[in-house]
Amino acid sequence: GAVVSQHPSWVICKSGTSVKIECRSLDFQATTMFWYRQFPKQSLMLMATSNEGSKATYEQGVEKDKFLINHASLTLSTLTVTSAHPEDSSFYICSAAGGRTIEQYFGPGTRLTVT
Amino acid sequence: QQPVQSPQAVILREGEDAVINCSSSKALYSVHWYRQKHGEAPVFLMILLKGGEQKGHDKISASFNEKKQQSSLYLTASQLSYSGTYFCGTGNYGGATNKLIFGTGTLLAVQP
Repeated sequence: GAVVSQHPSWVICKSGTSVKIECRSLDFQATTMFWYRQFPKQSLMLMATSNEGSKATYEQGVEKDKFLINHASLTLSTLTVTSAHPEDSSFYICSAAGGRTIEQYFGPGTRLTVT
Repeated sequence: QQPVQSPQAVILREGEDAVINCSSSKALYSVHWYRQKHGEAPVFLMILLKGGEQKGHDKISASFNEKKQQSSLYLTASQLSYSGTYFCGTGNYGGATNKLIFGTGTLLAVQP
């Protein structure tokens, strides 16, 4: 299957600071990338869909000014959590899809802890 | 709107079989099955497209009944490595932009 990487794998930051998470498709061109958030013992909740070169589409209830998504190339999307607060602490996972396939391949996830 | 999975949790002995169901209230184009181990990202298992197909590899197979808006994942002769949380992801249309809505999850524990 396709390989998707995420960086960093975990981050601890202070309340009020911003954190950037990178998602890269390593061996295929990802026309679409998805960002999910997962709280402990819960399912994955889709935050937004990003297509290369265009603005991201956010799910209802997700603040687009707080969670900035950029999909600058066919292999890289970034999620920036701005002015992070403790309630933003979660497991953030990206997935990528592209080409003739509609399978989504997930990155390893980033665990964010805001103190 | 979130697909409902059943059962919520199941405990098996090695070698036993299990069925995990995924039911949606919306018309489906595709159903994607994933397994997630604790602290890790979901791992893709298989995808089923509308047409009522059935798929499988090794001892894991799945079916998709688009009329009933349901899919089932079948695990036969379970192994310890099958332990984890299983999620179905449902898509409403084709193409790479097909966003998935993930089900409630089923925790599977396989014991020796």
